[in-house]
Amino acid sequence: QVQLQESGPGLVKPSETLYLSCAVSGGSISTYYWTWIRQPPGKGLEWIGYIYYSGSTNYNPSLRSRVTISVDTSKNQFSLRLSSVTAADTAVYYCARASVTIADRIWYSYMDVWGKGTTVTVSS
Amino acid sequence: SSELTQDPAVSVALGQTVRITCQGDSLRSFYVSWYQQKPGQAPILVFFGKNNRPSGIPDRFSGSSSGNTASLTITGAQAEDEADYYCNSRDNNGNHWLFGGGTKLTVL
Repeated sequence: QVQLQESGPGLVKPSETLYLSCAVSGGSISTYYWTWIRQPPGKGLEWIGYIYYSGSTNYNPSLRSRVTISVDTSKNQFSLRLSSVTAADTAVYYCARASVTIADRIWYSYMDVWGKGTTVTVSS
Repeated sequence: SSELTQDPAVSVALGQTVRITCQGDSLRSFYVSWYQQKPGQAPILVFFGKNNRPSGIPDRFSGSSSGNTASLTITGAQAEDEADYYCNSRDNNGNHWLFGGGTKLTVL
């Protein structure tokens, strides 16, 4: 059974760069779309972006200028880099495995495996 | 403003049927996936695509779509179904993914 585990610092200073990793166990990182989602305290889910195992990426337009998602197939993990953080970036960050498929000529995606989430606080 | 609109809160009596909706222009072209999130926990996938329920999800959860609206129906709601529910699909350009604002379901 595939499991995901986020890791990274719980506290980041304003204007610095946030780095998080997501380790994939119980399965290969090859195939699938590897995704980051975040949830500010008391708020809803926000899609950050994904990386396909081949390396192609897709980012939320509101974060695109600050976000980089990368994959390391040799370590079976993928990572999130978010630069110039502010208090608004304080959130629980989740990694998830996603698939994209088509039925009746209609595309859809779904995230079927999630990590437990890691809390990141931006504060000096 | 979110391009996928959900009612902020919905309530249902125990054992009754409830429909949670997600509206957006992109839903005329893309199916949604639905996630259940309980306090302090990560979301879990409960329904996706045209007619897909992950293994382990009770069959009281079902989904449908018509025009610009997708629906998650819980037939015979149980106390353990009380949670936040989020839809996910594409933005109006179809290029990026997007969550709805979420619906808080209360089981009375």
